[in-house]
Amino acid sequence: EVQLVESGGGLVQPGGSLRLSCAASGFTLSSYWMHWVRQAPGKGLVWVSRINGDGSSTSSADSVKGRFTISRDNAKNTLFLQVNSLRAEDTAVYYCARGIRNSYGFDYWGQGALVTVSS
Amino acid sequence: QTVVTQEPSLTVSPGGTVTLTCASSTGAVTSSYYPNWFQQKPGQAPRALIYSTSNKHSWTPARFSGSLLGGRAALTLSGVQPEDEADYYCLLFYGADRVWVFGGGTKLTVL
Repeated sequence: EVQLVESGGGLVQPGGSLRLSCAASGFTLSSYWMHWVRQAPGKGLVWVSRINGDGSSTSSADSVKGRFTISRDNAKNTLFLQVNSLRAEDTAVYYCARGIRNSYGFDYWGQGALVTVSS
Repeated sequence: QTVVTQEPSLTVSPGGTVTLTCASSTGAVTSSYYPNWFQQKPGQAPRALIYSTSNKHSWTPARFSGSLLGGRAALTLSGVQPEDEADYYCLLFYGADRVWVFGGGTKLTVL
């Protein structure tokens, strides 16, 4: 059974940093692109970042470029999102999602990790 | 800034049919945008329904179908059930920039 479990969320002050993790199980992580998606309270979904199977290629939304970094450790079956220089508008639930092989969509999602940026 | 537009809200009667659409500010949506559709109920993570315009996941109910209609991606629900009341999001892939953009979502009410 495919499972994605996020962790590392919490309350952080403006300007602070966090590292989100997404533990993957039930499939071979290195065979899939992976994504981060966020959702501010009461708002819609926003794609954040994507990484290819071996971690050699990434892309991100303009709103997080230079502040957020996606990475992965396939040996530990874990995806990461390093979030720096946090702003109030980064407050959201952060989801990891698995990419669909030979296509450009997502199939499985984690349950999400809440990041709250507030002083 | 690329914008993907969906109807903010739609209402359908149980057993009825409704079509949700997804438009891109860059022009007509084609299969090259690999349209995806997701369902999200309150307090839950999104659930994938459709990928690559019209392909269903193994868990997608048969009453959901995806297509291209008039330059937009479309999600049609036929024989709507009360449990279909949810927010629906489309997702488009912009290959030149290797980015994905979600639509703003459609709140579907079954009434």
